[in-house]
Amino acid sequence: GAVVSQHPSRVICKSGTSVKIECRSLDFQATTMFWYRQFPKQSLMLMATSNEGSKATYEQGVEKDKFLINHASLTLSTLTVTSAHPEDSSFYICSARGQDRVESNQPQHFGDGTRLSIL
Amino acid sequence: LAKTTQPISMDSYEGQEVNITCSHNNIATNDYITWYQQFPSQGPRFIIQGYKTKVTNEVASLFIPADRKSSTLSLPRVSLSDTAVYYCLVGVNQAGTALIFGKGTTLSVSS
Repeated sequence: GAVVSQHPSRVICKSGTSVKIECRSLDFQATTMFWYRQFPKQSLMLMATSNEGSKATYEQGVEKDKFLINHASLTLSTLTVTSAHPEDSSFYICSARGQDRVESNQPQHFGDGTRLSIL
Repeated sequence: LAKTTQPISMDSYEGQEVNITCSHNNIATNDYITWYQQFPSQGPRFIIQGYKTKVTNEVASLFIPADRKSSTLSLPRVSLSDTAVYYCLVGVNQAGTALIFGKGTTLSVSS
């Protein structure tokens, strides 16, 4: 089945540091990937849609200059949290949906998330 | 996007069948219904997807009535390891369209 790999799984860093999170589709091509954020005991909140070769589309309230997204290839999207502060501490999850040439109903597959802790 | 409503929590015992119902009154013609399972500190894991009637795979069944305004995820003979949050999502299954998560149902299985 489709596999989405996310790295790193956990990051602990000082306030003011920029942190990059990678999301890779391992066995399929994904022209579009999605980034979610999840706070403790809450549901996933969509942050942005990452499009290969073009600018990401951000959800309302998400600062595009704070959360930089790059989708340089059909299998890799990165999320960079710039100048991170304690309030940016959260669980970040990426996902992608494959594009099967035979079938059109491809479910969305998720990475295992990145736990970001800003001290 | 269709909004979904699920019970906040459910309790069960090992070996029982668990049915989680999701309401989606505003589901659109092109929308699929997808269920995910999430364990703490992990990404959601795909369980099952359907459009109408009944779908069954090796871990669950999905029942969808003719009006498609609700759906029921059925987990046969649950075990302790099925304790997780279950999300019902409704949306168009296209590559550029993200799934929007509701609050989910926290299932607790006891021995």
